[in-house]
Amino acid sequence: EAQVTQNPRYLITVTGKKLTVTCSQNMNHEYMSWYRQDPGLGLRQIYYSMNVEVTDKGDVPEGYKVSRKEKRNFPLILESPSPNQTSLYFCAIRRVPTDTQYFGPGTRLTVL
Amino acid sequence: GIQVEQSPPDLILQEGANSTLRCNFSDSVNNLQWFHQNPWGQLINLFYIPSGTKQNGRLSATTVATERYSLLYISSSQTTDSGVYFCAPRYSSASKIIFGSGTRLSIRP
Repeated sequence: EAQVTQNPRYLITVTGKKLTVTCSQNMNHEYMSWYRQDPGLGLRQIYYSMNVEVTDKGDVPEGYKVSRKEKRNFPLILESPSPNQTSLYFCAIRRVPTDTQYFGPGTRLTVL
Repeated sequence: GIQVEQSPPDLILQEGANSTLRCNFSDSVNNLQWFHQNPWGQLINLFYIPSGTKQNGRLSATTVATERYSLLYISSSQTTDSGVYFCAPRYSSASKIIFGSGTRLSIRP
């Protein structure tokens, strides 16, 4: 099965302190994306990337940045985190040709 | 708009019971996946099932694309089946998958 890793798995930080959550995959998949999961709101897509240097906004991109300089890595960057970004974050890859989506283990972020 | 409805929202069963979870979707789909989110938060891929029936051990899934629904069957439930089950279709008109709100399943020993 596709392997997606995220780091850190847990993070507590303070408002305004820049942070990066890393995501990497070992299967050369082109499509990668980031989601956040919040109680009552389900899973919402933040950003996605169709390939190297190709990224696009999802449903809730405000306050986040991403980059895709190489195929295996897709970091999520919070330049100035705020408490409303406290959430459970998932990185995902999409596997061709079935289009099956696989998720990383999740990163639980708390912004104080 | 595009909708995904899952039912029931909550289900509490005794160990050993069988259950059927339903997912209704509002448009034609290119694919549909079922996921299990365990109590530790991990999202586990159960089935990729745009149509037809698949089985994997005690779990099976059926999608009737023409009638716009999918069913997930869990037989002989175990406590490790507890968690939230999500249906996630990818509509022909969209590039991303849409998640339903989930069914929270609790299996009592």
